[in-house]
Amino acid sequence: GENVEQHPSTLSVQEGDSAVIKCTYSDSASNYFPWYKQELGKRPQLIIDIRSNVGEKKDQRIAVTLNKTAKHFSLHITETQPEDSAVYFCAAHTPRMDSSYKLIFGSGTRLLVRP
Amino acid sequence: NAGVTQTPKFRVLKTGQSMTLLCAQDMNHEYMYWYRQDPGMGLRLIHYSVGEGTTAKGEVPDGYNVSRLKKQNFLLGLESAAPSQTSVYFCASRINSNQPQHFGDGTRLSIL
Repeated sequence: GENVEQHPSTLSVQEGDSAVIKCTYSDSASNYFPWYKQELGKRPQLIIDIRSNVGEKKDQRIAVTLNKTAKHFSLHITETQPEDSAVYFCAAHTPRMDSSYKLIFGSGTRLLVRP
Repeated sequence: NAGVTQTPKFRVLKTGQSMTLLCAQDMNHEYMYWYRQDPGMGLRLIHYSVGEGTTAKGEVPDGYNVSRLKKQNFLLGLESAAPSQTSVYFCASRINSNQPQHFGDGTRLSIL
């Protein structure tokens, strides 16, 4: 069935360094890929998303890249800050015949930024 | 504009009890979703709705029922709670296809 794999499960970086989180998806029909940040005890919040007609998208210190051929997409955070510490989830959206859609989430990456 | 509101925020149940979780959104969104979040397993879709009066099963629907009698409300019911249903439950909504989901603050449910 449809599947999204996310790596690594935990990531520890020094403040100011870059962090990269990678996801692969199984359904080639997937066409929308959001990334969510979830702080401890809080709701998941969208931080960036990318659609299948775009290869890269950037928003200040955050960027996402998409390789449709390889079916993987990555989140890049540059100049990390302690407040970036959180769990990050990738997801892949696959359109369905009944006009609904299924959003499959990765299992999450716990990012720790050490001061 | 409150966004997506979930009630209650916390609840402790005994095995076999029933309860209903309420999700309300004031953004006139068509699509609404119920997820459960367990450690190390990300978010798993329980049930969803593509409009008022419609519901459909997600990835892990067993033991849950839902209703969408009004566009702004999506109810998640547990008829006979089991310890395996101890989890954090998130509701989400979106306006239409290819748009991001907006999440509520979650309901932490413990079943003893």
